Amino acid sequence: GAVVSQHPSWVICKSGTSVKIECRSLDFQATTMFWYRQFPKQSLMLMATSNEGSKATYEQGVEKDKFLINHASLTLSTLTVTSAHPEDSSFYICSARTRVGTTEAFFGQGTRLTVV
Amino acid sequence: QKEVEQNSGPLSVPEGAIASLNCTYSDRGSQSFFWYRQYSGKSPELIMSIYSNGDKEDGRFTAQLNKASQYVSLLIRDSQPSDSATYLCAVLLGGGADGLTFGKGTHLIIQP
Repeated sequence: GAVVSQHPSWVICKSGTSVKIECRSLDFQATTMFWYRQFPKQSLMLMATSNEGSKATYEQGVEKDKFLINHASLTLSTLTVTSAHPEDSSFYICSARTRVGTTEAFFGQGTRLTVV
Repeated sequence: QKEVEQNSGPLSVPEGAIASLNCTYSDRGSQSFFWYRQYSGKSPELIMSIYSNGDKEDGRFTAQLNKASQYVSLLIRDSQPSDSATYLCAVLLGGGADGLTFGKGTHLIIQP
């Protein structure tokens, strides 16, 4: 399948600081990328849809000012968790589709965020 | 509200037997259906996609879709210990611009 690379794979940060997570499509151009969050023993919950060159679309209940998404190119989307708190500790995963109109999505490796 | 329901398990199956995983969804407008496998601490890996009623087979895996009953299933034949993982059912309402709605997953254990 297509390769989606996510970095870093894990990060520990202090409460109140910001953390940036990168998601790259390595062998294809992704006009749309998706950001999910997964708490322990829970399912993946869609946070936002990242569209290249335009503002991200956030799901209900997700604070857009806290979770900043930038999709400046067709191969890179970033998620910045601002002023992180312990309750933001989670597994963050991005995904992308290989081309417009396809429905199969491929996932990055995920980023384990721990806020202390 | 879109919902995808799965039995969380654990589902324990002897090695070599058939594992049967089930999923129901609430939105009749859903068009695409996926099964992902997720190992502990890892991201999901796509196993099967299915779009029309009936069965779709790929190696040891068979996905079954019944839109009238809003039901999707995954059969794993000749189960192997390496199949032990959490299996996530995911549903896509519209086209490629939408994100997926996931169930909570079924934890499958293949007993050697």
